[in-house]
Formats: sequence, C-alpha cells, structure tokens
Amino acid sequence: EVQLLESGGGLVQPGGSLRLSCAASGFTFSSYGMSWVRQAPGKGLEWVSAVSGSGGSTYYADSVKGRFTISRDNSKNTLYLQMNSLRAEDTAVYYCAKARVAAGTEDFDYWGQGTLVTVSS
Amino acid sequence: QLVLTQSPSASASLGASVKLTCTLSSGHSSYAIAWHQQQPEKGPRYLMKLNSDGSHSKGDGIPDRFSGSRSGAERYLTISSLQSEDEADYYCQTWGTGAVVFGGGTKLTVL
Repeated sequence: EVQLLESGGGLVQPGGSLRLSCAASGFTFSSYGMSWVRQAPGKGLEWVSAVSGSGGSTYYADSVKGRFTISRDNSKNTLYLQMNSLRAEDTAVYYCAKARVAAGTEDFDYWGQGTLVTVSS
Repeated sequence: QLVLTQSPSASASLGASVKLTCTLSSGHSSYAIAWHQQQPEKGPRYLMKLNSDGSHSKGDGIPDRFSGSRSGAERYLTISSLQSEDEADYYCQTWGTGAVVFGGGTKLTVL
C-alpha cells in the first residue's frame, strides 16, 4: 500500500525558514517523480515544485522560484522541501504527491494528507 | 499559456448523474489531464488520467461510476448513481515541460 506522510509544518515568522519532509513507502521510491502541491485556506490546489525520480531534474512554480528548494534522498525514501524567505501568502496545507512516471511533471496518482504551514508574526 | 478552466460549482440529486467540465486553453487541446477528488477536510484523491484520445485509466479502487470523456478542448468527468460521499471538490490537472497546472476546482453538491 502506497503511503505518503508529510511532516515539518508549523508556525513561522515572515522571512523565516522551514523544511518539510515526506516519508514514502509501498513503492520503489526512486522510480517515480514527486511533487509538492499546496492549498491556501479556502482556496484551490497550487503546484509548487517537482523532482524527477533520480533527483536530477527539478522544477518550480514562479511564485516560489529562488526561495524554495526541492530535493529527495532515495536511500531514505524521503522527499524534502526547503522553504526560505517565507511570506504570509505561503500559508497553506502542503501536500506531497507521487507522479505516475519517473519524470517530475505528470499526473499524480497518490497524495499525502498534508502538513500545515502558517506564516505569521 | 497553459490554463485549465472549471465551473466553480455544480449540483445534482442523489442517484442521478452529473458531468463536470474542464476546458484546456487555446493551443493545448491535445493535452492529457487528470481528475482528482477532494472530500471535505481530506487530502486529494486521484480518480483517473484522461488521454487526448478519450481513453482513460483510473486510480486504484475508483468505482465504475466514475468515467471520463472528451470533446475538443473540453475534458469531462461523469459521475453516475450519485452518492452522498461524492459531495466534494473536483480538480483537473495537466502538465507541460517543467510545469503542472490545476484548474480552479468545481464544488459538487449532492442534493
């Protein structure tokens, strides 16, 4: 059974940093692309970043480019999102999602339950 | 620019059928999409991938009541024999080189 478990969310001040983790199990982690998708309170889904199965290719939404860094440790079956220079508009539930293929940007066939990030002073 | 457009809301009666629409932006009518369901207070759930030729492949455990189809730049999700648990937000998703796009979502109310 595929499982994705996010952690690392919390309250952070504007300008601060946070690192999210997503522990994966139930599939060959290195064979699939992974993404982070966020959802601001009462809003729709917004793709944030993707990484290919090997980790060699990364992609970012314009809204986070230069501030967020996606990475993965295939030996630990874990996906990460390092978030720096956080802004109030980054407040959202952050979901990790598994792609159906090795490339980072394809349809997502499994989702985690999410972790809440709140940016506020 | 790759954009997906969805109606904000839809409603249908218990036991009836409903067809939700997702429209691809001009110049992108050949793109595949995916449909996801998000029930209240839950994470999204993958329903299916809908290819440009109209064929679709569903996610694990998705009942036959859910089906996909297409016409031109429009992609459809049809839910038949509506049940109360189908009341949810439905999002379409597509992807291009180095980017993923979601539609704004349709909130489905089961009457």
